[in-house]
Amino acid sequence: DSGVTQTPKHLITATGQRVTLRCSPRSGDLSVYWYQQSLDQGLQFLIQYYNGEERAKGNILERFSAQQFPDLHSELNLSSLELGDSALYFCASSQSGRIDEQFFGPGTRLTVL
Amino acid sequence: DQQVKQNSPSLSVQEGRISILNCDYTNSMFDYFLWYKKYPAEGPTFLISISSIKDKNEDGRFTVFLNKSAKHLSLHIVPSQPGDSAVYFCAASEGRNTPLVFGKGTRLSVIA
Repeated sequence: DSGVTQTPKHLITATGQRVTLRCSPRSGDLSVYWYQQSLDQGLQFLIQYYNGEERAKGNILERFSAQQFPDLHSELNLSSLELGDSALYFCASSQSGRIDEQFFGPGTRLTVL
Repeated sequence: DQQVKQNSPSLSVQEGRISILNCDYTNSMFDYFLWYKKYPAEGPTFLISISSIKDKNEDGRFTVFLNKSAKHLSLHIVPSQPGDSAVYFCAASEGRNTPLVFGKGTRLSVIA
């Protein structure tokens, strides 16, 4: 158990809908990262927050947005969902923002029908 | 355009033998490399890392080798154990505070 929690574990929805994925970092970790793993793909970095502020942005679609709240939990919002958005979404956290200190959650599996 | 490539989707090795997982990269600005291990239904877990100032880093049964001129790194596991069966991801970054770029992973099966 990495100490990073993600909810829900599974999510099934329809095209055009909007969903919210939630991540609670390890206690004391200030930085949260979001990744997407599509079928047969490696993990694609989406976005990083550090203590509530956006720190780095990857290949995140405009239909996707994220935020980190004062209690340091983070939410990833996916809207106007398409079939191709079906993937595993991982959240990771680290204390200082160093990549070698990242601890990953178990992921949320999103299925868009 | 994949900056980090793991060209072998799968690898099968007998218990007790050496497992060698390979990774190639194209971005010459990468200076920090990591290997992650992933079991089904779990998130990736950090295994071992190496910075570009080194060519080898060891941690128990795991050794990572870096060949900067060839833009190639490899992970050696010796001896391999059935519990090592997992998907291994290679990742790289331009610094310890910049985002990671992952390969697609190699599924290792260690056969008893």
